[in-house]
Amino acid sequence: EVQLVESGGGLVQPGRSMKLSCAASGFTFNNYDMAWVCQAPKKGLEWVATISYDGSSTYYRDSVKGRFTISRDNAKSTLYLQMDSLRSEDTATYYCARGWYFDFWGPGTMVTVSS
Amino acid sequence: DVVLTQTPSTLSATIGQSVSISCRSSQSLLDSAGNTYLYWYLQRPGQSPQLLIYLVSNLGSGVPNRFSGSGSGTDFTLKISGVEAEDLGVYYCMQATHAPPTFGSGTKLEIK
Repeated sequence: EVQLVESGGGLVQPGRSMKLSCAASGFTFNNYDMAWVCQAPKKGLEWVATISYDGSSTYYRDSVKGRFTISRDNAKSTLYLQMDSLRSEDTATYYCARGWYFDFWGPGTMVTVSS
Repeated sequence: DVVLTQTPSTLSATIGQSVSISCRSSQSLLDSAGNTYLYWYLQRPGQSPQLLIYLVSNLGSGVPNRFSGSGSGTDFTLKISGVEAEDLGVYYCMQATHAPPTFGSGTKLEIK
């Protein structure tokens, strides 16, 4: 059974950093590109970033370029999202999702950016 | 970015009723290789989204066959043939033909 479990969310002040993790199991992690998708409170879904199966290529939405870094550790079957210079508008639930069309999702981890 | 417009924004249905949700794109989603990267998801209350339909009309793993997808170019439809209570939630279309991937604003399905 495919499982994705995010962790690392919480309350953080504007301008500070936070690192999210996503532990994957139930499939061959290093065969799949992986993504982060976010959802602001009571809002819709927004793609954040994607990383290729081997980590060699990364892609970001414009609003997070230069502030967020997606990475992965295939030996640990874990996906990461390093979020720097956080803004209030980054407040959202962050989901880890498999592939380019998100066939499996984790339960999400909430990030609140507030002073 | 490609804008996906979903209608209606809210839908109220009785059990057993058939309903349709429209997703219209600001650009054609047909790529140069002849592929159309249009997907449908359901987000039940308090849960993460789940994939229902991929590549316009293919049923996701474990998805009941009362769900179907159709369309081409810029106009796409998700149909539920015989709504069940477990179908309540918000439905989203998503395109991945053009970077960045974008989602529609969602259609909330309520059960009468």
